[in-house]
Amino acid sequence: GGIITQTPKFLIGQEGQKLTLKCQQNFNHDTMYWYRQDSGKGLRLIYYSITENDLQKGDLSEGYDASREKKSSFSLTVTSAQKNEMAVFLCASSIWGAQDTQYFGPGTRLLVL
Amino acid sequence: GEKVEQHESTLSVREGDSAVINCTYTDTASSYFPWYKQEAGKSLHFVIDIRSNVDRKQSQRLTVLLDKKAKRFSLHITATQPEDSAIYFCAASGGTGGLSGKLTFGEGTQVTVIS
Repeated sequence: GGIITQTPKFLIGQEGQKLTLKCQQNFNHDTMYWYRQDSGKGLRLIYYSITENDLQKGDLSEGYDASREKKSSFSLTVTSAQKNEMAVFLCASSIWGAQDTQYFGPGTRLLVL
Repeated sequence: GEKVEQHESTLSVREGDSAVINCTYTDTASSYFPWYKQEAGKSLHFVIDIRSNVDRKQSQRLTVLLDKKAKRFSLHITATQPEDSAIYFCAASGGTGGLSGKLTFGEGTQVTVIS
């Protein structure tokens, strides 16, 4: 089996700040994803990457950047944190693509003051 | 793009009874429909999926039904147990499949099993 780790677990930022979230997987999966989960809502895809150095925009990419420096890691940057923003960011990976099982990390909880 | 609607936002069932969660999708080209479970305070994990070449799939107490004509799929949980209490998310893959494509998720159904 494998595991997905996300750092940090909790992130408190200030309005306008640039914030970076990191994700690592040891499944040796090709595809990695970043989702945002807001309370009472489903998951919305921010970015995904099908291989090292690839980036594909999801439905919610505005206000975010992403980077896939190597196969095992995928980072997400909130380019300018919005005041009172509160959400959980979930990283996931799958062996190949969207029609394979996705394995999720534990999440990073963001709070912007 | 694909839109997935999950019809029940909450569902309460007595232990031992069955629970059914219904989802509809919009993209006729969608061909992959997984379900994920999120227990309180935890992340999501995969529970079962169905592909468009079949209309029924069962795994222990879970059954997924797919009606392609109606663009509807459902999760049936039989003989519910307290550990089935969680948020369940349905999802659909937007038809491109393989290396590309993405999953679109429904908004989740909170299932509570009452002992």
